[in-house]
Amino acid sequence: EVQLLESGGGLVQPGGSLRLSCAASGFIFSSYAMSWVRQAPGKGLQWVSGITGSAGSSYYIDSVKGRFTISRDNSKNTLYLQMNSLRAEDTALYYCARDLRGNYVEDAFDIWGQGTMVTVSS
Amino acid sequence: EIVLTQSPGTLSLSPGERATLSCRASQRVSSTYLAWYQQKPGQAPRLLIYGASSRATGIPDRFTGSGSGTDFTLTISRLEPEDFAVYYCQQYANSPWTFGQGTKVEIK
Repeated sequence: EVQLLESGGGLVQPGGSLRLSCAASGFIFSSYAMSWVRQAPGKGLQWVSGITGSAGSSYYIDSVKGRFTISRDNSKNTLYLQMNSLRAEDTALYYCARDLRGNYVEDAFDIWGQGTMVTVSS
Repeated sequence: EIVLTQSPGTLSLSPGERATLSCRASQRVSSTYLAWYQQKPGQAPRLLIYGASSRATGIPDRFTGSGSGTDFTLTISRLEPEDFAVYYCQQYANSPWTFGQGTKVEIK
């Protein structure tokens, strides 16, 4: 079964750091670009960052550039999001998502995890 | 950044009725790069439509996507009880990929 399982969320103070992980199973992880998408409580979806299958290229929304770093370890079938200098507005449920067609960064997301909650508050 | 505006914000319909959801882009989006998702409370989004009109695996044929340029539509031909949810459009033509704010389809 194709599956994504996020972990690493929690409560952190403004200015703090967290590292999210997304463990993938049931498919050839290295063949797929992956993304992080977040959803603030009661709000809509916002794409945050994406990375190609080989990790050769990564992409970010402007509001997280310089603070968040996406990476992956294809030997461990795991996607990461290192989040530094966290702000209250980063509070959200963070989903990892798989690109539909493989290593096309410009793609819809066909597989989603259940999300991990990040709360930034003092 | 391409802004997607969905309308209406809420659609109140009865089971068996037809639902028509609109997604308008602030600039032209190639049809290849427009998707629709369904999200139910407490669940992750589910891909319904990609490439503006292609149904994802396992999606029933009562869901139809159409449109081009700046105007796209998701039509649910006859609402089933499980279709009451929030629907989002997404463009993945220009980074950053963006989503509309969502349309909630609720039971009338």
